[in-house]
Amino acid sequence: DAKTTQPPSMDCAEGRAANLPCNHSTISGNEYVYWYRQIHSQGPQYIIHGLKNNETNEMASLIITEDRKSSTLILPHATLRDTAVYYCIASNDMRFGAGTRLTVKP
Amino acid sequence: DAGITQSPRHKVTETGTPVTLRCHQTENHRYMYWYRQDPGHGLRLIHYSYGVKDTDKGEVSDGYSVSRSKTEDFLLTLESATSSQTSVYFCAISDWDMPYEQYFGPGTRLTVT
Repeated sequence: DAKTTQPPSMDCAEGRAANLPCNHSTISGNEYVYWYRQIHSQGPQYIIHGLKNNETNEMASLIITEDRKSSTLILPHATLRDTAVYYCIASNDMRFGAGTRLTVKP
Repeated sequence: DAGITQSPRHKVTETGTPVTLRCHQTENHRYMYWYRQDPGHGLRLIHYSYGVKDTDKGEVSDGYSVSRSKTEDFLLTLESATSSQTSVYFCAISDWDMPYEQYFGPGTRLTVT
């Protein structure tokens, strides 16, 4: 089984922030948390990764709790094109579980 | 977008026939991967390569073989296709300094009848 657990689905209103949680209570101290997304039938797309500190890039922000047992991916202003399945992955494991299906609604 | 192409994009074949899928990259990345994606199973790693002629098995390698004779090409072969190998196959690449930051190709939809 994957080292991460995510809710199966979430909805978000267009223009609002989408906050996608991930639990990874068993990851080791040197293990990164990676986020990918998959839009419809396309190949997965890398979004962001982090170890301990919060990270931000042009696509999203990643907030990792101090105990590293969970993290949240934030899409600050979700658009309809952000509708996708989002995967949270532990680097030493790299198993893509079921992910969270995010639906952005107008 | 990373320069990754997969061929063919769609293929229908009969049980028992050999099939080869090709992944081609123009990024000169060290690592290449083959995944399959099935409903209810997510993405599963079949084989990966960490250099020319260097390959290793992933989670679901039975029934598959791979070869990498050049940096840019990674071939996945089904020696004798079975219906259970009907799936969408994705190739991915990553570089030596960020092996887990993978970039995926567009996928190949394979149907074995």
